Amino acid sequence: GQSLEQPSEVTAVEGAIVQINCTYQTSGFYGLSWYQQHDGGAPTFLSYNALDGLEETGRFSSFLSRSDSYGYLLLQELQMKDSASYFCAVIRDDKIIFGKGTRLHILP
Amino acid sequence: NAGVTQTPKFRVLKTGQSMTLLCAQDMNHEYMYWYRQDPGMGLRLIHYSVGEGTTAKGEVPDGYNVSRLKKQNFLLGLESAAPSQTSVYFCASKSSGRVSGGELFFGEGSRLTVL
Repeated sequence: GQSLEQPSEVTAVEGAIVQINCTYQTSGFYGLSWYQQHDGGAPTFLSYNALDGLEETGRFSSFLSRSDSYGYLLLQELQMKDSASYFCAVIRDDKIIFGKGTRLHILP
Repeated sequence: NAGVTQTPKFRVLKTGQSMTLLCAQDMNHEYMYWYRQDPGMGLRLIHYSVGEGTTAKGEVPDGYNVSRLKKQNFLLGLESAAPSQTSVYFCASKSSGRVSGGELFFGEGSRLTVL
């Protein structure tokens, strides 16, 4: 089977660092992706991890541990525009399955 | 460069009516996907296609049909709409192969209301 767990909401302060975790249970796993979605908009791709370790793209980093079936998205130097929902997604065979999303609230 | 285009963007249906959502991509992508998004439920995969002429079921396929007659188009059909199908529908595409990674390109979404 395949299921992903991520917190429903996270709150952080502008300028701070926040980590959004994602655990998954799936066989035939190929990789973990992260997407950002602003209210009323479409999801946009942030990062992809196929191998264990950290991938860094500007203020955003993503980590994967295949042995622990766990990954996270790290957002640094938070800005108000980062207020959005964040989804992890697993790639299994030809399917891409999404978690239910984490709503990130940023306080000034 | 249009990317992924969905039509229509908004539609209101009565229970029992049928309709088709069209997704078109101009990136020569092999893989195309249809998702529905409901509050608190994330994105749920309805059907997907790995190439022209092929389709497969996703997580929530019941009540929907799809066709991929041309590589650039992926159609989602509702034969007899039900209120439970009120949702925002997203189409997405990606290049082929697992090594290409997970980068999906999404359309802007189609908001469907079934009364």
